[in-house]
Amino acid sequence: SQTIHQWPATLVQPVGSPLSLECTVEGTSNPNLYWYRQAAGRGLQLLFYSVGIGQISSEVPQNLSASRPQDRQFILSSKKLLLSDSGFYLCAWNWRQDNSPLHFGNGTRLTVT
Amino acid sequence: GQQVMQIPQYQHVQEGEDFTTYCNSSTTLSNIQWYKQRPGGHPVFLIQLVKSGEVKKQKRLTFQFGEAKKNSSLHITATQTTDVGTYFCAVTSSNTGKLIFGQGTTLQVKP
Repeated sequence: SQTIHQWPATLVQPVGSPLSLECTVEGTSNPNLYWYRQAAGRGLQLLFYSVGIGQISSEVPQNLSASRPQDRQFILSSKKLLLSDSGFYLCAWNWRQDNSPLHFGNGTRLTVT
Repeated sequence: GQQVMQIPQYQHVQEGEDFTTYCNSSTTLSNIQWYKQRPGGHPVFLIQLVKSGEVKKQKRLTFQFGEAKKNSSLHITATQTTDVGTYFCAVTSSNTGKLIFGQGTTLQVKP
């Protein structure tokens, strides 16, 4: 069966510090990978998605970047965090077929102070 | 771009009452998915509807896809405290092929 791991679970970082969140998927190959952000009490905003190694698409301009160095590894980064980067970050994967449901990791709750 | 409106934003019910959340789109949808997110948790896939007028049931949950494939609903019969959470609909963007989520309906159930 497939599993998705995301860490850390919580993170408190000062403004201006760097960020690296990691997500890995097990039990499948060639998945689509996604990073979503959820502000408190709000919906899910798609930040990045990837259909393969080194292939990253950005949905919104922002202070963040993503990389996919391996087939089942997806990394979300920032060089300098802003207060507005606080939120709940969710990694997700799905099969490479139309309408495949998303499977989410447990999320990282980031607080920028 | 593709958008989906989900209402209501919040709903407080007494345990045992019914609950319904609605998703509406201005364009015809190829499919719609529903997810549930428990407080502090991550969204979990519930179901996908594809056919016009489709109705699917999961125990006390009933999912409907409109005849015109522009709207959908999730109905919970006789809510329980375990139903607490935020329910999201999600549709496939005709532009990008990626899932776009509604804003969600947060359900609170008073015991």
